[in-house]
Amino acid sequence: GAGVSQSPSNKVTEKGKDVELRCDPISGHTALYWYRQSLGQGLEFLIYFQGNSAPDKSGLPSDRFSAERTGGSVSTLTIQRTQQEDSAVYLCASSLGRQPNYGYTFGSGTRLTVV
Amino acid sequence: RKEVEQDPGPFNVPEGATVAFNCTYSNSASQSFFWYRQDCRKEPKLLMSVYSSGNEDGRFTAQLNRASQYISLLIRDSKLSDSATYLCVVNLQTGANNLFFGTGTRLTVIP
Repeated sequence: GAGVSQSPSNKVTEKGKDVELRCDPISGHTALYWYRQSLGQGLEFLIYFQGNSAPDKSGLPSDRFSAERTGGSVSTLTIQRTQQEDSAVYLCASSLGRQPNYGYTFGSGTRLTVV
Repeated sequence: RKEVEQDPGPFNVPEGATVAFNCTYSNSASQSFFWYRQDCRKEPKLLMSVYSSGNEDGRFTAQLNRASQYISLLIRDSKLSDSATYLCVVNLQTGANNLFFGTGTRLTVIP
């Protein structure tokens, strides 16, 4: 597609439930990133994919968080047993590669609210 | 110490004013630099890259000072539509995740 597409745009879930967030990057972009942004806070890095592999998972806050990417395209971020502190906007970004001057293109995010 | 630090603001300026934001970064190995703009409840969008020689895009001018490890963004003739949060972004290019975002500087342009 023309841009990075994320779904759902909004998700309200009960504490303890699992959620899946989806990201469809720009076609041909090999690098894919997940960030989250809490209200009034900066972007917090979660995980980076190059193709289907994830060289850097260091930002995942706990083992309740996992992500995968298939076919070098769509990625899914899964949060198990959601907690209220997981409430945030989850942003996905993609880029052509890791060359120094490539910026990222972000999707519009999934606003997750855990009640 | 944070990789990237910005004055959070807010900066409230009248239309037509010139406003400047600074940002400092901690790692001298940083390779490339960007300014992103984020509107309220929207995703960040790339505003401009920052080159060593400085660069200009219309009313926006970005400067890089490697010796002092700071980046600046100058906005001339501010418009109401410039109201947003401006994020300073630094690329270390040394690890898998190499893009570090500042927490942003909030700008409000007042009529």
